[in-house]
Amino acid sequence: AQTVTQSQPEMSVQEAETVTLSCTYDTSENNYYLFWYKQPPSRQMILVIRQEAYKQQNATENRFSVNFQKAAKSFSLKISDSQLGDTAMYFCAFTPGYALNFGKGTSLLVTP
Amino acid sequence: DAGVIQSPRHEVTEMGQEVTLRCKPISGHNSLFWYRQTMMRGLELLIYFNNNVPIDDSGMPEDRFSAKMPNASFSTLKIQPSEPRDSAVYFCASSFNGPYGYTFGSGTRLTVV
Repeated sequence: AQTVTQSQPEMSVQEAETVTLSCTYDTSENNYYLFWYKQPPSRQMILVIRQEAYKQQNATENRFSVNFQKAAKSFSLKISDSQLGDTAMYFCAFTPGYALNFGKGTSLLVTP
Repeated sequence: DAGVIQSPRHEVTEMGQEVTLRCKPISGHNSLFWYRQTMMRGLELLIYFNNNVPIDDSGMPEDRFSAKMPNASFSTLKIQPSEPRDSAVYFCASSFNGPYGYTFGSGTRLTVV
């Protein structure tokens, strides 16, 4: 079975600070893809960042970056210069090919 | 492109009624997915189509659920008869050849009373 674990149900960070959301996964596959999705109260699932397992370099998208540790099966998301609009549920997801396996999510609150 | 389009956005129905959810994938995408989101179970895959053919329907809860994709631009998820435990947000997503360009629709919130 392929599982995704997000150990932090809730987190809080002050505006302009940096926060890191944790994610671990379990798989026997060697090639796969990892994602972080943001779900604001509007419930839209918004892709934040994506990482291919065969790539050693960590993905970066503006204020969002990941720390991908393949051997440890860890895929954490770092949000720099947090903004009020970053308040949302964040889901880590994994796929070896098509279907996404999601974690339970981390609720992030950015405070002024 | 308008993205993945789902309708309706909200649906309230009485137990026992038939419910049909609709999805229009992104043009050019050949993979389509239906997911269900609940507080208890999180996001789970219901069914996956590739080139309009159902490939994996192991997530479909029971025979009351059925999904079709008659062409590359349209898919439906039907529940008949509906039950209160079917209340959830149903997402449609599309992509190209699996993980590329994975995009979700805005979801349908279904409430069965």
